[in-house]
Amino acid sequence: DQQVKQNSPSLSVQEGRISILNCDYTNSMFDYFLWYKKYPAEGPTFLISISSIKDKNEDGRFTVFLNKSAKHLSLHIVPSQPGDSAVYFCAVSSGNTPLVFGKGTRLSVIA
Amino acid sequence: DTGVSQDPRHKITKRGQNVTFRCDPISEHNRLYWYRQTLGQGPEFLTYFQNEAQLEKSRLLSDRFSAERPKGSFSTLEIQRTEQGDSAMYLCASSHRGYGYTFGSGTRLTVV
Repeated sequence: DQQVKQNSPSLSVQEGRISILNCDYTNSMFDYFLWYKKYPAEGPTFLISISSIKDKNEDGRFTVFLNKSAKHLSLHIVPSQPGDSAVYFCAVSSGNTPLVFGKGTRLSVIA
Repeated sequence: DTGVSQDPRHKITKRGQNVTFRCDPISEHNRLYWYRQTLGQGPEFLTYFQNEAQLEKSRLLSDRFSAERPKGSFSTLEIQRTEQGDSAMYLCASSHRGYGYTFGSGTRLTVV
């Protein structure tokens, strides 16, 4: 059974607009949440993270929001740029256990 | 340090053959992870080491798979008697005490 769900396989956004990627998880014991970005033929690269004691973390154009009651997190990218086109994976962990990944959302930013 | 290095980048093998992949982690990282990624899926956890000790293995890791990390440095993942279903991208990552995973570029295995 999937512990981490990214229900949108793909998302298309115009350059300059906001991209919102969503992720749902099932286990309330998860306490560390991350987003990774992956280009073709490369390994995933870390983007941003948040711990369960916070509900928002911001790093430049990237902001992650955590809603623990809904078991939902989202990644906002604003403004979106063509170089942001990639597959984005949500990942979660509980007590420093190995990361569990979602299936990913392919973001296409159109110029 | 040049990050996590995986070798080879690509491997094509005939069904039934054995293959071995190597991962060199970031030197100061004590944890090393193996993941597998197939088309349309996210990375799926296979196993991980803390120093030289193998601490956890996924149910995905059948008896045909074995991983080692001698002396807590590089790691190898061996697949015996490969099957077509083993075709995937095999990803290695390292971290310091479980935080801040750095992934390698992966080894793409094709079993024909």
